[in-house]
Amino acid sequence: KQEVTQIPAALSVPEGENLVLNCSFTDSAIYNLQWFRQDPGKGLTSLLLIQSSQREQTSGRLNASLDKSSGRSTLYIAASQPGDSATYLCAGTSRGSNYKLTFGKGTLLTVNP
Amino acid sequence: EAQVTQNPRYLITVTGKKLTVTCSQNMNHEYMSWYRQDPGLGLRQIYYSMNVEVTDKGDVPEGYKVSRKEKRNFPLILESPSPNQTSLYFCASSPHPIYEQYFGPGTRLTVT
Repeated sequence: KQEVTQIPAALSVPEGENLVLNCSFTDSAIYNLQWFRQDPGKGLTSLLLIQSSQREQTSGRLNASLDKSSGRSTLYIAASQPGDSATYLCAGTSRGSNYKLTFGKGTLLTVNP
Repeated sequence: EAQVTQNPRYLITVTGKKLTVTCSQNMNHEYMSWYRQDPGLGLRQIYYSMNVEVTDKGDVPEGYKVSRKEKRNFPLILESPSPNQTSLYFCASSPHPIYEQYFGPGTRLTVT
């Protein structure tokens, strides 16, 4: 059974700082790893999807990596802005979880002006 | 515009009064699923559907029903809602679960 953990649960940084959010998973037979952003009380916005055959994906200031052997993914945010403040969720789909997305509990990011 | 829609967005109801939350996608996706999100528990899958007339239980199916009569629609039915079903519900769709999943805006349900 896939389990996904995100550390830290909360992170506060000053504007302009580069930061890394961490995600770990227990089942390395993963099909993909998806990063989402969620604003308070709102829906999920997909940020990046990494397929199992890929090592990383980039979109603007965001870069996500995947290391199946160590069971880890990271989301790198460059030059953070107050508008990046949100909860960031990672989720994986694996053979052992019957195709469902297994979510971590998220990292609440606050970027201070 | 490609999207997943849910209705209603907000609902307050009473214990035992049957309700349906609709989910519709316009991307011709075969895979659809329902999640609930609760503080401290994160997002958990309720039901999923691999295609028309093919549905199966997720992690927390008790108290819920679904149907998939058309590819675009995947309603979530609560036949006798209880207060412990108060939650934020999300519908998602994808061509296949190994591809990117697209989420609806969410339905906030309160059962009193």
